[in-house]
Amino acid sequence: AQKVTQAQTEISVVEKEDVTLDCVYETRDTTYYLFWYKQPPSGELVFLIRRNSFDEQNEISGRYSWNFQKSTSSFNFTITASQVVDSAVYFCALSEVERDFGNEKLTFGTGTRLTIIP
Amino acid sequence: DTEVTQTPKHLVMGMTNKKSLKCEQHMGHRAMYWYKQKAKKPPELMFVYSYEKLSINESVPSRFSPECPNSSLLNLHLHALQPEDSALYLCASSQVIFRTVYGYTFGSGTRLTVV
Repeated sequence: AQKVTQAQTEISVVEKEDVTLDCVYETRDTTYYLFWYKQPPSGELVFLIRRNSFDEQNEISGRYSWNFQKSTSSFNFTITASQVVDSAVYFCALSEVERDFGNEKLTFGTGTRLTIIP
Repeated sequence: DTEVTQTPKHLVMGMTNKKSLKCEQHMGHRAMYWYKQKAKKPPELMFVYSYEKLSINESVPSRFSPECPNSSLLNLHLHALQPEDSALYLCASSQVIFRTVYGYTFGSGTRLTVV
């Protein structure tokens, strides 16, 4: 069974500080996908990144960067120079790809509530 | 159109009412999902439809009845709900081609309150 662990329940940092959100996953499959989603107070889940298990390159998108380490089953997310608008709950998620299409499940971690203090 | 649209955004219903949640996407995705999210918890999968057929039911009580009339629409029929069913209900869609998952797109959800 697949499992995603986000050990940090809540994090508060002062604006402009860097912050890293941790994500550790478990899966038996060799082909899988990892995601990060942002959920602001309004409730919608905003897609941030998708990474497949064969691509271990780190990725940077503006102030966001992601560090995928297969050896430690981790997919950490760093926000550089944080801003108040980054305040939200962030979910890491894992999807295994079943042989028969239609049985994919997206399993979420418990989320990290990030508060950026002005 | 890269959106998943859910209606209504808010719903208050009594325990004897019958109501329906609607979800629509026009991205050509052939898998659609219902998730339930309680406050301060992650989304939990309820149902998966693949090519308009129910492929996964995560042991959801029968008072929740999903329906997929066509490849763009997904409904969730509600009947005789309990106050503990109050939650944010999220719809999502995805496309998988040759075992490549092209992401999941979520709607903004229906916030349901059962009184």
